[in-house]
Amino acid sequence: GIQVEQSPPDLILQEGANSTLRCNFSDSVNNLQWFHQNPWGQLINLFYIPSGTKQNGRLSATTVATERYSLLYISSSQTTDSGVYFCSQPCTPNAGKSTFGDGTTLTVKP
Amino acid sequence: DTAVSQTPKYLVTQMGNDKSIKCEQNLGHDTMYWYKQDSKKFLKIMFSYNNKELIINETVPNRFSPKSPDKAHLNLHINSLELGDSAVYFCASSPRVASYNEQFFGPGTRLTVL
Repeated sequence: GIQVEQSPPDLILQEGANSTLRCNFSDSVNNLQWFHQNPWGQLINLFYIPSGTKQNGRLSATTVATERYSLLYISSSQTTDSGVYFCSQPCTPNAGKSTFGDGTTLTVKP
Repeated sequence: DTAVSQTPKYLVTQMGNDKSIKCEQNLGHDTMYWYKQDSKKFLKIMFSYNNKELIINETVPNRFSPKSPDKAHLNLHINSLELGDSAVYFCASSPRVASYNEQFFGPGTRLTVL
């Protein structure tokens, strides 16, 4: 099946700093999603981004499907950005399952 | 107007008991899923149903039995609970329309087996 590799595994930032999280895939990319799991355990949809670039406030994401990776940018980080960021990708285009990366744990310090 | 809901939110039980977790979605999606998140935060798919039909079953012990009475509900029943079943269980749904397959997750059920 598709392998999903996220980097870095852990990231500690000072409030106000910018960061880039990366997701690499072993096979072609489609239906790619980014999630934020907050400290209360909720999985929040950030982006559905099979290709191209999307922006939502301080967050943006870019997927380069031909090169099998996606990037999540967080600008002017806030303490509420802390948590675990996951990317996920279905194993095949119409598969009823997704493979999740192991996540990037982000800690933003005040 | 919660999109994907799960009950209960917390479940504490003894080894050997049988328990169920319920999931409902009001998004009109055809596909529903159960995921398990272990203590290291790794998320693994367990089951996937499309229109009440099981389409994915990922080497999950037979003690776990999903049931989908209709496409808006996917319940998870667990027999003879073991310590290793302690985890957070997430339900999710997606439309699977053509190539669009964005998943939406419920709030999770934290299961603790004592």
